[in-house]
Amino acid sequence: DAGVIQSPRHEVTEMGQEVTLRCKPISGHNSLFWYRQTMMRGLELLIYFNNNVPIDDSGMPEDRFSAKMPNASFSTLKIQPSEPRDSAVYFCASSFRAGFDEQYFGPGTRLTVT
Amino acid sequence: DQQVKQNSPSLSVQEGRISILNCDYTNSMFDYFLWYKKYPAEGPTFLISISSIKDKNEDGRFTVFLNKSAKHLSLHIVPSQPGDSAVYFCAASGSGGSNYKLTFGKGTLLTVNP
Repeated sequence: DAGVIQSPRHEVTEMGQEVTLRCKPISGHNSLFWYRQTMMRGLELLIYFNNNVPIDDSGMPEDRFSAKMPNASFSTLKIQPSEPRDSAVYFCASSFRAGFDEQYFGPGTRLTVT
Repeated sequence: DQQVKQNSPSLSVQEGRISILNCDYTNSMFDYFLWYKKYPAEGPTFLISISSIKDKNEDGRFTVFLNKSAKHLSLHIVPSQPGDSAVYFCAASGSGGSNYKLTFGKGTLLTVNP
């Protein structure tokens, strides 16, 4: 398996623009996670999906952030409008059974908002 | 407030010697602990884990020790190799319905010198 795939790997955008990050989990995994890594706060869970359904979005910082999982092989994280403080590395991870199996992380998307 | 703390941002060790990475936690509801390893431009990868019912878990050169009374865990790498140079993250999760939620420390950069 190719592992968790994220695109783009790097994104540079201007403040106010919409940003969409994409993730393809490992085939057969039922759980998907979006994380954000910053220097100040480290690695934080933003949202968790189980069987394509959002279970916990308590980590989503504000309404400008939204995430969807239309099917088992695709998820998006959207920021609209983007702000400079959103600059971070965003990771997607998947696991077979959340809480029982290890999470496999994608390579991340480095987002820079100017 | 950080619930998982890695107080050493960096550690430098000679090849062949032991590397000891430390982690402290404050939440007594945590009962499962993991170590992830991260190379630059890659996502974290799972290394080793330990349940709170154990005080030691070993996998090859890697051993994790858990001291529940002190709320402290450590990762020992023996012998250290240059390829072990990476950022190591400690993570913890609780039991029951929130067992999917990993809380990460900010990481320790390990450099193993040849």
